[in-house]
Amino acid sequence: DAEITQSPRHKITETGRQVTLACHQTWNHNNMFWYRQDLGHGLRLIHYSYGVHDTNKGEVSDGYSVSRSNTEDLPLTLESAASSQTSVYFCASSEVGGNPVDTEAFFGQGTRLTVV
Amino acid sequence: AQTVTQSQPEMSVQEAETVTLSCTYDTSESDYYLFWYKQPPSRQMILVIRQEAYKQQNATENRFSVNFQKAAKSFSLKISDSQLGDAAMYFCAYPNDMRFGAGTRLTVKP
Repeated sequence: DAEITQSPRHKITETGRQVTLACHQTWNHNNMFWYRQDLGHGLRLIHYSYGVHDTNKGEVSDGYSVSRSNTEDLPLTLESAASSQTSVYFCASSEVGGNPVDTEAFFGQGTRLTVV
Repeated sequence: AQTVTQSQPEMSVQEAETVTLSCTYDTSESDYYLFWYKQPPSRQMILVIRQEAYKQQNATENRFSVNFQKAAKSFSLKISDSQLGDAAMYFCAYPNDMRFGAGTRLTVKP
C-alpha cells in the first residue's frame, strides 16, 4: 500500500543546531507540504512543492528550508533551531487537483521536535 | 490571503447526541471546495467530508453532515448520534491554498 512516512518520530535538539526532518511518500504525488501544529494555531503551512525542483514559502517559512530533488521526498531543514520551533511537524502529499482544488491531502504521522 | 477560522477551541457532547462544529472562511474565489479533517489522539489526519461551493445540496457522509452557507462563508460540521470514537481534533480546511483552521477539540462523554 502507498504511504507517507516521516522520520524521526521524535527528536530533541539544541538551540542553534541544524536539523533535518525527512518525509517520504510512495503515492507518486506531485504535491507535498510541510506544516507545524501548535496549540491554538492549528496547522500552519511552512513550505510546499508542486513538483521536482519546485518549492514555495508558506505562511510561517522563516527559519525553514526545503528542497525537492525527486518526487518521493521533501526534507525540511531548520537552519539554526530555536526554542520557538518546538512543535509537531506534519508532512502531507496530494495529487494534482482540478480547478478548484478538490484533492485530499494524505498526512504522515508527525514528528515531535523539541528544541532545548 | 485566504483565512479559515474555527471559533470553538473545545466542544463537548454526550454520547448519542448531536453536536455542531463551526467554521468560517474568507475567499474571493467563486468556486472552491471545503474539507473537514479529523485528528484522533493517534495524530493521523482523516478526511471526514468535503463540500463544493457550487453544489446546492449539503454534503452528507453517514453520521456527518455539513451546513454550508456560501453567502455567509460558513461551513459547519454536524455529527449525529455521537460515538466515543468521534473524540478528536477537527480541522476545517480550504484546499485551494491548503489552509487549515485552528481546530476544535471534541470530547464525547459516555
